[in-house]
Amino acid sequence: EAGVAQSPRYKIIEKRQSVAFWCNPISGHATLYWYQQILGQGPKLLIQFQNNGVVDDSQLPKDRFSAERLKGVDSTLKIQPAKLEDSAVYLCASSEGQAHYEQYFGPGTRLTVT
Amino acid sequence: GNSVTQMEGPVTLSEEAFLTINCTYTATGYPSLFWYVQYPGEGLQLLLKATKADDKGSNKGFEATYRKETTSFHLEKGSVQVSDSAVYFCALNTGGFKTIFGAGTRLFVKA
Repeated sequence: EAGVAQSPRYKIIEKRQSVAFWCNPISGHATLYWYQQILGQGPKLLIQFQNNGVVDDSQLPKDRFSAERLKGVDSTLKIQPAKLEDSAVYLCASSEGQAHYEQYFGPGTRLTVT
Repeated sequence: GNSVTQMEGPVTLSEEAFLTINCTYTATGYPSLFWYVQYPGEGLQLLLKATKADDKGSNKGFEATYRKETTSFHLEKGSVQVSDSAVYFCALNTGGFKTIFGAGTRLFVKA
């Protein structure tokens, strides 16, 4: 069974530039998550999709971050414009359902904003 | 609100030593509790979980018991190996949408 795929693995941009990350979840998983993991901290949920609908985006900085999940499968997360404090690893995860279900994580995208 | 507190790392042990990583939580209701592990250069993966009080989760020699009376879910292993070197995250979910992760504890095991 293929795991969660993410690309790119690494990205370096200057502040005020834009960037996009892509995630392909495990086939059949209805729930998709984007997390931000700052160095030395645990993952923080940015947005959660159930199929192609948003169920939680309370911690997504909506003035600069956006995410979509077209057709309930792949997802993209965009930052525009980036700030220095956006430097982090962006993790995508998927699960069969919500709450008590195991989440399967991708390898992450390490973003450096200079 | 809901939260998870883990012991600070790094934890450095010699091979075959006993491991304990403390985790306590604050939650409304009856959460499910998880331990995830992150090996260098990889994403997080579930190590074990427990969904109700007094449950014991176990996997790969690791164990954790859901203690409601002390709101704890400490991770233990009787004999660590170099290959166990990783970052360990305690997490909870109260049945709502969001899983809350602790800050992580880095483990180094020396040969």
